[in-house]
Amino acid sequence: EPEVTQTPSHQVTQMGQEVILRCVPISNHLYFYWYRQILGQKVEFLVSFYNNEISEKSEIFDDQFSVERPDGSNFTLKIRSTKLEDSAMYFCASSRGARGTGELFFGEGSRLTVL
Amino acid sequence: QKEVEQNSGPLSVPEGAIASLNCTYSDRGSQSFFWYRQYSGKSPELIMFIYSNGDKEDGRFTAQLNKASQYVSLLIRDSQPSDSATYLCAVNLSGGFKTIFGAGTRLFVKA
Repeated sequence: EPEVTQTPSHQVTQMGQEVILRCVPISNHLYFYWYRQILGQKVEFLVSFYNNEISEKSEIFDDQFSVERPDGSNFTLKIRSTKLEDSAMYFCASSRGARGTGELFFGEGSRLTVL
Repeated sequence: QKEVEQNSGPLSVPEGAIASLNCTYSDRGSQSFFWYRQYSGKSPELIMFIYSNGDKEDGRFTAQLNKASQYVSLLIRDSQPSDSATYLCAVNLSGGFKTIFGAGTRLFVKA
């Protein structure tokens, strides 16, 4: 069964460092997303990406964040200068099409710890 | 601020009973509604989606939608200990690509 894969599974970084989280969405999906979940809190929408551009972003997704699809398979989230409050589990997700943009298939997540 | 509200629980039911999980949402224009299951330390997994008013059944799961009341529910029949997890209600906001989640209801099924 096709799945979304994410790397790394866990990253520890120092405050102020840049972090890149990587994702390989399901191959025939057209819509890609990043969500985050701070420990014990709800899953929060960060950004959606379609047709090689950001389609929607949340207020969390400020200038410190960027996304990119550098080739036909990878989808990355970059945090330019990490803060303590960026510590969270980051989930990549993908979905098939317009009607089903909420039918999200999630990767296993990348746990980011900022010290 | 558009929201999805759920009772955080925990909801505890005996094995074999029906578990009933509820959710309300604030965006009246939303058309697509979802239930995800999240085991501790794992990612959310889609278990049901519903787009029309009424009931939708899939195995032991039934999703119910009432757009006039802005209310979504999930019934789990013949609950099993393996159903013990946090159940997340999610809503795809009208006209967009943004799906927002409730905080989830923790369900415990006692053997």
